[in-house]
Amino acid sequence: DVQLVESGGGFVQPGGSLRLSCAASGFILSSYAVSWVRQVPGKGLEWVSVISANGGSTYYADSVKGRFTLSKDSAETTAYLEMNSLRAEDTAVYYCAKTYYFGSGTSVADYYYMDVWGKGTTVTVSS
Amino acid sequence: SYDLTQPPSVSVSPGQTTSVTCFGNELEYKYVSWYQQSPGQSPVLVIHQDYKRPSGIPERFSGSKSGHTATLTISGTQAMDEAEYYCQAWDRFTVMFGGGTKLTVL
Repeated sequence: DVQLVESGGGFVQPGGSLRLSCAASGFILSSYAVSWVRQVPGKGLEWVSVISANGGSTYYADSVKGRFTLSKDSAETTAYLEMNSLRAEDTAVYYCAKTYYFGSGTSVADYYYMDVWGKGTTVTVSS
Repeated sequence: SYDLTQPPSVSVSPGQTTSVTCFGNELEYKYVSWYQQSPGQSPVLVIHQDYKRPSGIPERFSGSKSGHTATLTISGTQAMDEAEYYCQAWDRFTVMFGGGTKLTVL
């Protein structure tokens, strides 16, 4: 059964750091891209970041660029989202998702979709 | 990137057909995906690349696009389809989501 399980969420003060994990089972993580998407309770979905299948490319939303880093471990079973300089507005449920993407989004042939999602982990940034 | 605009809410009677729209200025050049999110649950992919339905998604879900507007259509809507629906596109290394549409099955 294809599954993703997030962990590492918690309570942190503004300016602090957290590392979220996304553990894959039922498929080989190195064969797929992984996205992180967050959601403030009661609000919509916000894309955070994606890492390519081979881990060689990462892209970030402007709201987290320079503060968040996405990586995969050498065993290719887990993806990590390192979050630094956390702000109150980073408070949300964070989901990881198995992702298919192609291109940069500037060509009609380019696509991006997320077909398996984890249950999410909650991050609360507050003093 | 640019905005994807969805109506905040749509309502339908059981067994009827309903549609959720997603408007974006460059959408005619972008593939659109749709996600269903039931209360307290994670999103589920229901349509990708405008009209492709993943395995396990009922045939009553279909997608289409014309010009700047993508449409998710649910035929023979069931009570279990009551959920929030989000459209999504990919543009210049950024993923955009619509604001979401709350589908109520009356």
